[in-house]
Amino acid sequence: EDQVTQSPEALRLQEGESSSLNCSYTVSGLRGLFWYRQDPGKGPEFLFTLYSAGEEKEKERLKATLTKKESFLHITAPKPEDSATYLCAVPSGNTGKLIFGQGTTLQVKP
Amino acid sequence: DVKVTQSSRYLVKRTGEKVFLECVQDMDHENMFWYRQDPGLGLRLIYFSYDVKMKEKGDIPEGYSVSREKKERFSLILESASTNQTSMYLCASSLGRGTGQYFGPGTRLTVT
Repeated sequence: EDQVTQSPEALRLQEGESSSLNCSYTVSGLRGLFWYRQDPGKGPEFLFTLYSAGEEKEKERLKATLTKKESFLHITAPKPEDSATYLCAVPSGNTGKLIFGQGTTLQVKP
Repeated sequence: DVKVTQSSRYLVKRTGEKVFLECVQDMDHENMFWYRQDPGLGLRLIYFSYDVKMKEKGDIPEGYSVSREKKERFSLILESASTNQTSMYLCASSLGRGTGQYFGPGTRLTVT
């Protein structure tokens, strides 16, 4: 069964303290992995798409990487405005459905 | 930029009422989706559609129906709202099967 697991569930950082969020997946034939950011009370915002092991994508203080079993979202020198829930997802089979992880809630304190 | 809009940000309805949630996307995407999101349960897929007049059941379709009469519009219908349908409802669209989905701002529905 296709599955996505994110860790940790919650992460508290001081401003400027770099860290990484993990997304482990089990899927037959990976056809992409997606990262989203979600602010409270809003819809998820699309961040990155990764398609193959070794691929990396960057946006401001965020960098997403992909291996054959997991993806990492690295946050370098975070700021309070980076506080949000980060979700990852993978396509399941040929249906077009996405399997979402439960998310990591990041809090960055000034 | 892809834009997905939802008809209401907040909605309050009474038990037994028929509720319509509307979603419109402006990027000519083939696929559209309806999710609900609840604390501790994450995103759960209700229904999705690959094409006009087509619909597929997601993981939790009970108590819901959908309509897709035009490519850009996907409606979620609660035939008889119940309190356990109080939730955040999110619409999404994607260009192709298995591609990234773009979400709308969400509708916070409260059923009293």
